[in-house]
Amino acid sequence: DAGVTQSPTHLIKTRGQQVTLRCSPKSGHDTVSWYQQALGQEPQFIFQYYEEEERQRGNFPDRFSGHQFPNYSSELNVNALLLGDSALYLCASSSVDRAGNTIYFGEGSWLTVV
Amino acid sequence: KNEVEQSPQNLTAQEGEFITINCSYSVGISALHWLQQHPGGGIVSLFMLSSGKKKHGRLIATINIQEKHSSLHITASHPRDSAVYICAVGSQGGSEKLVFGKGTKLTVNP
Repeated sequence: DAGVTQSPTHLIKTRGQQVTLRCSPKSGHDTVSWYQQALGQEPQFIFQYYEEEERQRGNFPDRFSGHQFPNYSSELNVNALLLGDSALYLCASSSVDRAGNTIYFGEGSWLTVV
Repeated sequence: KNEVEQSPQNLTAQEGEFITINCSYSVGISALHWLQQHPGGGIVSLFMLSSGKKKHGRLIATINIQEKHSSLHITASHPRDSAVYICAVGSQGGSEKLVFGKGTKLTVNP
């Protein structure tokens, strides 16, 4: 049983460009959360998707958007990249129907903006 | 003041020592998570607690809801335990937004 898978693992983008990061949740999980972790800092909540809708959102600008597909996989899109968007982007999956179920994290996508 | 405070920030131990990492939080929660992060970046969930105590191998986690405090203990520490240990709290049951502490960097020397 695969856990949470994220792609790509590493990527380099130029300031002003757009990026799409992808996440496949653990089998049986229907909820996907995205976090941004700057170097040396703790992860910060970006948003959470459930039933293809954004359910909660953290304090991130509208340049950050997402999507969840019917198979529960998710994408994180960041437009007009800034140098400060350089970070590890983590995807976490869980299940609404299994309250108390462990949250699973992917290995993350390292984004460098130059 | 952060909603989740961890101590110590850094911890160096000798192999075999008993390790304790502390976490205090200031908000109402439904669950507290202890997580492990290695330099490569991936995060592994160690425990999810809403009350009492859990044990898995050499790891023990406790939580005191009234005092808003949790501890992670590692018995007979080993160099492979070297990692960043993060306390995170969620405000809703099961699928929730997590608020993270700043982590404790543990180094266990042989």
